[in-house]
Amino acid sequence: DAGVTQSPTHLIKTRGQQVTLRCSPKSGHDTVSWYQQALGQGPQFIFQYYEEEERQRGNFPDRFSGHQFPNYSSELNVNALLLGDSALYLCASTLTSYPYEQYFGPGTRLTVT
Amino acid sequence: AQSVTQLDSQVPVFEEAPVELRCNYSSSVSVYLFWYVQYPNQGLQLLLKYLSGSTLVKGINGFEAEFNKSQTSFHLRKPSVHISDTAEYFCAATTGGGNKLTFGTGTQLKVEL
Repeated sequence: DAGVTQSPTHLIKTRGQQVTLRCSPKSGHDTVSWYQQALGQGPQFIFQYYEEEERQRGNFPDRFSGHQFPNYSSELNVNALLLGDSALYLCASTLTSYPYEQYFGPGTRLTVT
Repeated sequence: AQSVTQLDSQVPVFEEAPVELRCNYSSSVSVYLFWYVQYPNQGLQLLLKYLSGSTLVKGINGFEAEFNKSQTSFHLRKPSVHISDTAEYFCAATTGGGNKLTFGTGTQLKVEL
């Protein structure tokens, strides 16, 4: 049973550019959440997708957007990259039912120069 | 709104000694609580969870945690640590339904010989 997968593993971008990160959820999971983890910090919730709609959103600007596909996979897009966007981006998948466990992928390390 | 506080940023301990990592939460509604572990350059792995029932929960790798509603705490314990337990540990809370996780800032556990 494949767990949560993310691509790419690492990414280097320049300020002002745009980036797309990808996530495939654990088999059977229908909900995908994205988190940003800055160096030395805990993960911060960006948004969650369920049934191809944004279900919840954290305190992130509109430069952060996402999409969920019919096969439940998801993309995170960040426009007009800032140096402060450098972080580990984690994808988590879950079922919106008991036992509410979120399974995390290995993350994508984004460096903005 | 909910919040999670991890009181210790770093905890050094000798191998085979016991350890406790502290976590306090605040929420206006019932919460579900989790502990995750993160090894260097990896994603998050679920150690254990409290959803309901017995306040003492056991997880993987010999870890356990106790939910204390009156003290709004969910401290993580292990009676005898191993070098391989060296990692970052995160406490997290959610109001359920697959909702977003709110994380603490993490505790770096360093096990020394």
